[in-house]
This record gives sequence, C-alpha cells and structure tokens, in this order.
Amino acid sequence: GQNIDQPTEMTATEGAIVQINCTYQTSGFNGLFWYQQHAGEAPTFLSYNVLDGLEEKGRFSSFLSRSKGYSYLLLKELQMKDSASYLCANMDSNYQLIWGAGTKLIIKP
Amino acid sequence: IAGITQAPTSQILAAGRRMTLRCTQDMRHNAMYWYRQDLGLGLRLIHYSNTAGTTGKGEVPDGYSVSRANTDDFPLTLASAVPSQTSVYFCASSGTSGSSHEQFFGPGTRLTVL
Repeated sequence: GQNIDQPTEMTATEGAIVQINCTYQTSGFNGLFWYQQHAGEAPTFLSYNVLDGLEEKGRFSSFLSRSKGYSYLLLKELQMKDSASYLCANMDSNYQLIWGAGTKLIIKP
Repeated sequence: IAGITQAPTSQILAAGRRMTLRCTQDMRHNAMYWYRQDLGLGLRLIHYSNTAGTTGKGEVPDGYSVSRANTDDFPLTLASAVPSQTSVYFCASSGTSGSSHEQFFGPGTRLTVL
C-alpha cells in the first residue's frame, strides 16, 4: 500500500528552529515534495528532493534519505507568518503525488 | 490570466443537482489534476490528465467526471451531487519532466452540498 506519515500538529516559538518529519511507503519513488498551505489558501511549493541529502533554500531546508523512506523539513528563525500546514508528498512510479495529511505548525510569540 | 484559476470560488448546491467546476491554466502545462481536501485527510486525487485528449482516474473518482478538450481547460463535473461531496476542490497543473513535476495549484472551490 501507499502511506505517508507526518505529525498532525507541532508548536514552536518565534525565532526558534523546528523540524517536521515525514516517512513514506509508496510504490516507486520519483521525488519528495514539501508544500506550505496557509489556512483557507492553496498549497504552494517549497522544495523537491530526488537525491539523498540536504537541500537548503534560505530559512527552509529539506532532507531526504531514500533508503529509510524519510524526509524532514527544517525551518529556521521562525516567523509568525510561518504558521501554516506543511504537506509532504511522494511522487510515485506513475509520477502521481501521494500526499500526507499535513502538519499544522503553530508559532507562538 | 496569471497561473491557474478556478471558478466558482464557493458554491452551495442542493443534493441531486449537476455542477461543473471550472479550471483554466495559462502555463502551457501538459498535466492537470483535480483534488479534494477534507479536514484531517491529505489531498486526494479525483482525476488527472497527462495531456490534452487523455484523462485518468485517481484515488476517489466515483461521482465525478472530467474532460480535457485542450491544454488550458480541465473542468470537473458532479453529475448528481451528494452531501459527501462537500469539500474544498483544488485544481493543479504541472510539467512532465524532472522537477517540473512541481504542481501549481488554483485558489480552490469550496463546495457545500445540502
């Protein structure tokens, strides 16, 4: 079967660092995506990993381990505007995205 | 048009009525998708199209149909709406190679079936 697991909700403090984990079991692998979704809005692309390792993009970084079926999104210097849901999605052998339910990140002052 | 648009923004519909949700993109993307998003669940794929003239079924296709007459438009039709189809519907499009598989989403249609 195909399964994407990520925590339902996380809380962090403004200015801190938070790591959102994602594990996946899907038929085939063609890349791992992270999207951000603010309440009431559409998802927007954050990162794409197809090779193992860390990809850094400003305050956001994404890590992938294909052998472990594991990825994480690292957010540094948290800002209030980072309060959102973060969606992990695996692209399977048919190039379809299989989505996790999302992690709601709450940032406190 | 810039990107991908959907219409209507929201709709309240009586059960049994027919409804078409519209989606248009101007990015010349080959692939287009329809998802529904329900509280506590991930985005679930309803139907997709890899190129104009072709369509395929996703995870939850029952009660929905699509067509892809040209590259830009990908309407989703509910033939006879039921309350379980109350959801937020997102249309998305993407390229079809490497990281161009990144999906771009429309703003969504919030549908309530009573």
